[in-house]
Amino acid sequence: DIVMTQSPDSLAVSLGERATINCKSSQSILYSSSNRNYLAWYQQKPGQPPKLLIYWASTRQSGVPDRFSGSGSGTDFTLTISSLQAEDVATYYCQQYYGDITFGQGTRLETK
Amino acid sequence: QVELVQSGAEVKKPGASVRVSCKASGYMFTGFYLHWVRQAPGQGPEWMGWINPNRGGTHYDQKFQGRVTMTRDTSMNTVYMELSRLKSDDTAIYYCARAPSSGYSVFDYWGQGSLVTVSS
Repeated sequence: DIVMTQSPDSLAVSLGERATINCKSSQSILYSSSNRNYLAWYQQKPGQPPKLLIYWASTRQSGVPDRFSGSGSGTDFTLTISSLQAEDVATYYCQQYYGDITFGQGTRLETK
Repeated sequence: QVELVQSGAEVKKPGASVRVSCKASGYMFTGFYLHWVRQAPGQGPEWMGWINPNRGGTHYDQKFQGRVTMTRDTSMNTVYMELSRLKSDDTAIYYCARAPSSGYSVFDYWGQGSLVTVSS
């Protein structure tokens, strides 16, 4: 299985400031023939299922605010929230779909 | 609008089986794969497998092979996940989630979750 490792485990950021979450895969999840990275990001709030934010590493899901962006390729990926809003407090997960699906362990994002 | 509505909470004893249902509406049932993902208390999501509602084909994570069975009823637009030989560490919220295809497994809609508690 491809192991997904997120960092940090938790993060405190002031409202209006930038938040950055990292995700590293144990092998490349870039499919060379399509030049696509098989990586998604989700946001989960307590008592709710995860919500899809980003797929193909950098494509924003419809309806997701443009302060959320994804970047990276191969084995190293980043989710950036450009200006943290109160409603962004949540746990964030990366997920690879190159092989059998695996998720990262999650990053808890709080306000400072 | 797309909805995935799951069955209610279950309490089971170790060694028993549980079946969770997921009823889809608001889209063409046979046009999307349905996956099952579980989440133990305080843990991250864990993928279990998928079913193709069109032909009934399935693929399970190796961890659950031999214990999980996913089926569908196209007349009811419903998929089912049965997990057997339950253990205490199977206690989790079980979600169904929709994905466009087997090779494009991002989950754009999720059920509300079904809590399964395994306790003697």
